[in-house]
Amino acid sequence: EAGVVQSPRYKIIEKKQPVAFWCNPISGHNTLYWYRQNLGQGPELLIRYENEEAVDDSQLPKDRFSAERLKGVDSTLKIQPAELGDSAVYLCASRREGLTDTQYFGPGTRLTVL
Amino acid sequence: AQSVTQLGSHVSVSEGALVLLRCNYSSSVPPYLFWYVQYPNQGLQLLLKYTTGATLVKGINGFEAEFKKSETSFHLTKPSAHMSDAAEYFCAVKGLDSNYQLIWGAGTKLIIKP
Repeated sequence: EAGVVQSPRYKIIEKKQPVAFWCNPISGHNTLYWYRQNLGQGPELLIRYENEEAVDDSQLPKDRFSAERLKGVDSTLKIQPAELGDSAVYLCASRREGLTDTQYFGPGTRLTVL
Repeated sequence: AQSVTQLGSHVSVSEGALVLLRCNYSSSVPPYLFWYVQYPNQGLQLLLKYTTGATLVKGINGFEAEFKKSETSFHLTKPSAHMSDAAEYFCAVKGLDSNYQLIWGAGTKLIIKP
Protein backbone atom coordinates (compact mmCIF):
# COMPACT_ATOMS: atom_id res chain seq x y z
CA GLU A 1 0.00 0.00 0.00
CA ALA A 2 1.46 3.35 -1.01
CA GLY A 3 1.81 5.93 1.71
CA VAL A 4 0.78 9.56 1.77
CA VAL A 5 2.52 11.42 -1.04
CA GLN A 6 3.44 15.08 -0.82
CA SER A 7 5.15 17.41 -3.25
CA PRO A 8 7.34 19.28 -3.43
CA ARG A 9 9.57 18.12 -0.58
CA TYR A 10 11.33 21.48 -0.35
CA LYS A 11 10.38 24.96 -1.49
CA ILE A 12 12.24 28.24 -1.17
CA ILE A 13 10.45 31.44 -2.10
CA GLU A 14 10.69 35.13 -1.44
CA LYS A 15 8.12 36.83 0.76
CA LYS A 16 4.95 38.00 -0.95
CA GLN A 17 5.20 35.18 -3.50
CA PRO A 18 2.51 32.50 -3.76
CA VAL A 19 3.19 28.84 -3.04
CA ALA A 20 1.19 25.63 -3.29
CA PHE A 21 1.59 22.20 -1.73
CA TRP A 22 0.03 18.99 -2.99
CA CYS A 23 -1.00 15.88 -1.10
CA ASN A 24 -2.30 12.52 -2.25
CA PRO A 25 -3.61 10.46 0.68
CA ILE A 26 -3.60 6.70 1.08
CA SER A 27 -6.21 5.10 -1.17
CA GLY A 28 -9.52 4.70 0.62
CA HIS A 29 -8.75 7.21 3.37
CA ASN A 30 -11.64 9.63 3.48
CA THR A 31 -10.18 12.01 6.08
CA LEU A 32 -7.33 14.32 5.14
CA TYR A 33 -5.45 16.73 7.41
CA TRP A 34 -3.08 19.58 6.75
CA TYR A 35 -0.72 20.48 9.59
CA ARG A 36 1.97 23.09 10.04
CA GLN A 37 5.01 22.16 12.12
CA ASN A 38 7.39 24.81 13.33
CA LEU A 39 10.89 23.88 14.37
CA GLY A 40 10.97 22.17 17.75
CA GLN A 41 7.20 21.98 18.05
CA GLY A 42 4.44 19.49 17.50
CA PRO A 43 2.12 19.66 14.49
CA GLU A 44 -0.57 22.32 14.46
CA LEU A 45 -3.78 21.45 12.64
CA LEU A 46 -4.69 23.82 9.83
CA ILE A 47 -7.64 22.07 8.22
CA ARG A 48 -9.41 18.72 8.22
CA TYR A 49 -11.43 17.28 5.34
CA GLU A 50 -14.01 14.54 5.46
CA ASN A 51 -14.17 13.52 1.80
CA GLU A 52 -14.45 16.83 -0.08
CA GLU A 53 -15.92 18.81 2.82
CA ALA A 54 -13.74 20.99 5.04
CA VAL A 55 -15.18 20.16 8.47
CA ASP A 56 -12.61 21.95 10.63
CA ASP A 57 -10.77 24.99 9.29
CA SER A 58 -10.92 27.09 12.42
CA GLN A 59 -7.14 27.37 12.63
CA LEU A 60 -6.53 28.16 8.97
CA PRO A 61 -5.42 31.79 8.48
CA LYS A 62 -8.01 32.53 5.86
CA ASP A 63 -6.63 35.86 4.80
CA ARG A 64 -3.72 34.19 3.06
CA PHE A 65 -4.24 30.43 3.23
CA SER A 66 -6.65 28.38 1.16
CA ALA A 67 -7.17 24.70 0.59
CA GLU A 68 -9.21 22.48 -1.62
CA ARG A 69 -10.04 18.81 -2.05
CA LEU A 70 -12.31 18.90 -5.04
CA LYS A 71 -12.96 15.21 -5.68
CA GLY A 72 -12.40 14.00 -2.15
CA VAL A 73 -9.04 12.48 -2.98
CA ASP A 74 -5.95 14.67 -3.40
CA SER A 75 -5.67 18.12 -1.91
CA THR A 76 -3.84 21.39 -2.43
CA LEU A 77 -2.87 23.93 0.22
CA LYS A 78 -2.01 27.42 -0.99
CA ILE A 79 -0.44 30.46 0.62
CA GLN A 80 -0.75 33.83 -1.07
CA PRO A 81 1.14 35.96 -0.31
CA ALA A 82 3.72 34.15 1.80
CA GLU A 83 5.24 35.86 4.84
CA LEU A 84 8.51 35.20 6.64
CA GLY A 85 6.63 33.58 9.51
CA ASP A 86 5.18 30.95 7.19
CA SER A 87 8.51 29.15 7.07
CA ALA A 88 7.73 25.70 8.47
CA VAL A 89 7.13 22.09 7.47
CA TYR A 90 3.67 21.47 6.06
CA LEU A 91 2.47 17.96 6.77
CA CYS A 92 -0.40 16.09 5.21
CA ALA A 93 -2.00 13.12 6.93
CA SER A 94 -4.86 10.80 6.13
CA ARG A 95 -7.06 8.46 8.09
CA ARG A 96 -9.52 5.71 7.30
CA GLU A 97 -12.80 6.04 9.11
CA GLY A 98 -12.84 3.65 12.01
CA LEU A 99 -12.41 3.30 15.72
CA THR A 100 -8.70 3.69 16.20
CA ASP A 101 -8.21 7.03 14.51
CA THR A 102 -4.65 6.42 13.41
CA GLN A 103 -3.34 9.17 11.17
CA TYR A 104 -0.75 8.36 8.53
CA PHE A 105 1.63 11.14 7.61
CA GLY A 106 3.40 12.12 4.45
CA PRO A 107 7.06 13.25 4.45
CA GLY A 108 6.10 16.93 4.50
CA THR A 109 7.05 20.00 2.51
CA ARG A 110 9.71 22.21 4.06
CA LEU A 111 8.94 25.82 3.15
CA THR A 112 11.54 28.55 3.51
CA VAL A 113 10.40 32.12 2.96
CA LEU A 114 13.24 34.61 2.41
CA ALA B 1 -9.67 21.04 27.43
CA GLN B 2 -7.12 18.44 26.60
CA SER B 3 -3.38 18.96 26.71
CA VAL B 4 -0.17 16.98 26.46
CA THR B 5 3.06 17.66 28.29
CA GLN B 6 6.31 16.01 27.33
CA LEU B 7 9.00 16.45 29.95
CA GLY B 8 12.34 17.32 28.47
CA SER B 9 12.79 18.78 25.00
CA HIS B 10 16.01 16.76 24.72
CA VAL B 11 16.90 13.41 26.26
CA SER B 12 20.37 11.93 25.90
CA VAL B 13 21.17 8.27 26.60
CA SER B 14 24.09 6.00 25.86
CA GLU B 15 23.77 3.25 23.32
CA GLY B 16 22.48 0.15 25.09
CA ALA B 17 20.93 2.11 27.95
CA LEU B 18 17.27 2.34 28.90
CA VAL B 19 15.20 4.90 27.02
CA LEU B 20 12.44 6.69 28.97
CA LEU B 21 10.45 9.48 27.37
CA ARG B 22 7.78 11.03 29.53
CA CYS B 23 4.29 12.06 28.51
CA ASN B 24 1.51 13.36 30.72
CA TYR B 25 -1.91 14.28 29.46
CA SER B 26 -5.07 15.91 30.65
CA SER B 27 -8.41 14.79 29.37
CA SER B 28 -11.91 14.89 30.74
CA VAL B 29 -12.84 11.73 28.89
CA PRO B 30 -11.10 8.38 28.40
CA PRO B 31 -8.31 9.17 25.98
CA TYR B 32 -6.78 7.54 23.01
CA LEU B 33 -3.02 7.97 23.29
CA PHE B 34 -0.37 7.86 20.61
CA TRP B 35 3.39 7.98 20.25
CA TYR B 36 4.80 9.05 16.90
CA VAL B 37 8.45 9.19 15.82
CA GLN B 38 9.91 11.66 13.35
CA TYR B 39 13.28 10.99 11.77
CA PRO B 40 15.16 13.93 10.26
CA ASN B 41 13.47 15.34 7.18
CA GLN B 42 10.67 12.80 7.34
CA GLY B 43 7.03 12.75 8.32
CA LEU B 44 5.66 11.27 11.52
CA GLN B 45 5.40 7.51 11.87
CA LEU B 46 3.14 5.80 14.36
CA LEU B 47 5.12 3.92 17.03
CA LEU B 48 2.23 2.67 19.12
CA LYS B 49 -1.20 3.59 20.39
CA TYR B 50 -3.51 2.93 23.30
CA THR B 51 -7.25 2.86 22.76
CA THR B 52 -8.81 0.42 25.19
CA GLY B 53 -7.89 -2.85 26.87
CA ALA B 54 -4.40 -3.79 27.95
CA THR B 55 -2.59 -0.82 29.42
CA LEU B 56 0.88 -1.98 28.35
CA VAL B 57 1.17 -1.39 24.65
CA LYS B 58 3.95 -2.73 22.47
CA GLY B 59 4.98 -0.93 19.33
CA ILE B 60 7.51 -1.10 16.57
CA ASN B 61 11.28 -1.10 16.97
CA GLY B 62 11.13 -2.53 20.48
CA PHE B 63 9.29 0.40 22.08
CA GLU B 64 6.46 0.07 24.54
CA ALA B 65 4.33 2.40 26.62
CA GLU B 66 2.11 1.98 29.63
CA PHE B 67 -1.14 3.85 30.17
CA LYS B 68 -1.49 4.81 33.83
CA LYS B 69 -4.83 6.46 34.42
CA SER B 70 -4.08 7.36 38.04
CA GLU B 71 -0.95 9.22 36.98
CA THR B 72 -2.41 10.51 33.67
CA SER B 73 0.76 9.28 32.04
CA PHE B 74 1.78 7.38 28.93
CA HIS B 75 5.55 7.11 29.13
CA LEU B 76 7.52 5.53 26.28
CA THR B 77 10.30 3.06 27.04
CA LYS B 78 12.82 0.86 25.29
CA PRO B 79 15.17 -1.45 27.25
CA SER B 80 18.25 -0.88 25.11
CA ALA B 81 18.85 2.17 22.95
CA HIS B 82 20.25 1.85 19.46
CA MET B 83 21.90 4.55 17.39
CA SER B 84 19.03 4.29 14.90
CA ASP B 85 16.59 5.42 17.61
CA ALA B 86 17.90 8.97 17.38
CA ALA B 87 14.86 10.99 16.34
CA GLU B 88 12.15 13.24 17.70
CA TYR B 89 9.27 11.62 19.53
CA PHE B 90 5.79 13.09 19.87
CA CYS B 91 3.02 12.11 22.24
CA ALA B 92 -0.57 12.88 21.27
CA VAL B 93 -3.99 12.47 22.83
CA LYS B 94 -7.46 12.26 21.39
CA GLY B 95 -10.53 12.36 23.53
CA LEU B 96 -13.68 10.65 22.41
CA ASP B 97 -15.41 13.99 22.00
CA SER B 98 -12.71 15.83 20.09
CA ASN B 99 -13.89 15.29 16.53
CA TYR B 100 -10.88 13.10 15.80
CA GLN B 101 -8.43 15.95 16.38
CA LEU B 102 -5.15 14.98 17.99
CA ILE B 103 -3.63 17.23 20.61
CA TRP B 104 0.15 17.06 20.34
CA GLY B 105 2.98 17.46 22.77
CA ALA B 106 5.95 19.64 21.86
CA GLY B 107 8.17 16.66 21.21
CA THR B 108 11.31 15.18 22.77
CA LYS B 109 14.49 14.85 20.79
CA LEU B 110 16.26 11.61 21.65
CA ILE B 111 20.04 11.74 21.37
CA ILE B 112 22.02 8.50 21.46
CA LYS B 113 25.62 8.67 22.64
CA PRO B 114 28.01 6.03 21.28
